[in-house]
Amino acid sequence: DQQVKQNSPSLSVQEGRISILNCDYTNSMFDYFLWYKKYPAEGPTFLISISSIKDKNEDGRFTVFLNKSAKHLSLHIVPSQPGDSAVYFCAAISTDSNYQLIWGAGTKLIIKP
Amino acid sequence: EAGVAQSPRYKIIEKRQSVAFWCNPISGHATLYWYQQILGQGPKLLIQFQNNGVVDDSQLPKDRFSAERLKGVDSTLKIQPAKLEDSAVYLCASSNKLRILAGGPYFGPGTRLTVL
Repeated sequence: DQQVKQNSPSLSVQEGRISILNCDYTNSMFDYFLWYKKYPAEGPTFLISISSIKDKNEDGRFTVFLNKSAKHLSLHIVPSQPGDSAVYFCAAISTDSNYQLIWGAGTKLIIKP
Repeated sequence: EAGVAQSPRYKIIEKRQSVAFWCNPISGHATLYWYQQILGQGPKLLIQFQNNGVVDDSQLPKDRFSAERLKGVDSTLKIQPAKLEDSAVYLCASSNKLRILAGGPYFGPGTRLTVL
């Protein structure tokens, strides 16, 4: 039973354009959501998070949008840069469940020059 | 601050052999996680420690995997005997409760295990 789903295994975007990565979840008890970025041969690194009481959080080129009614969140990267090519993971936390992270399968983002 | 350290970075063994991984978390982080990541999938939690106590090991295959965190600092994860399907990257991460909601756990570089 996948509680967090990233339905696009890969995404290719032209440099300078907007990248939009999507994530869906099923558990309404999740109260925080995080995005991680992973380069090959490295561990995931935190990118941006959002609390379930908000619908938007912005940090530089990265913005995360949360639609609670649709149980959907998205990560927008504007403008996309070659260094953004990586695998992006969406993860969710329920503070009632030992702060355990539930992970999506990841989306590989490829930025084309 | 120094990051999460893991060793070795790579390991190749034959099936039925044993292997051990080591993790040194960020100083002061009470929570330590071991994840297994198979190519094309998200990280799967194997075990979560709070100090030196186990919080969650529901997905740890206890017939072959074991983990300990002595003195609430370093941790080791052992597989004995290894199977082909254990080939994966093993990630260690650490955090504290204040940090985890703002930025999640910090991850080490991982150990890539290949079982032949």
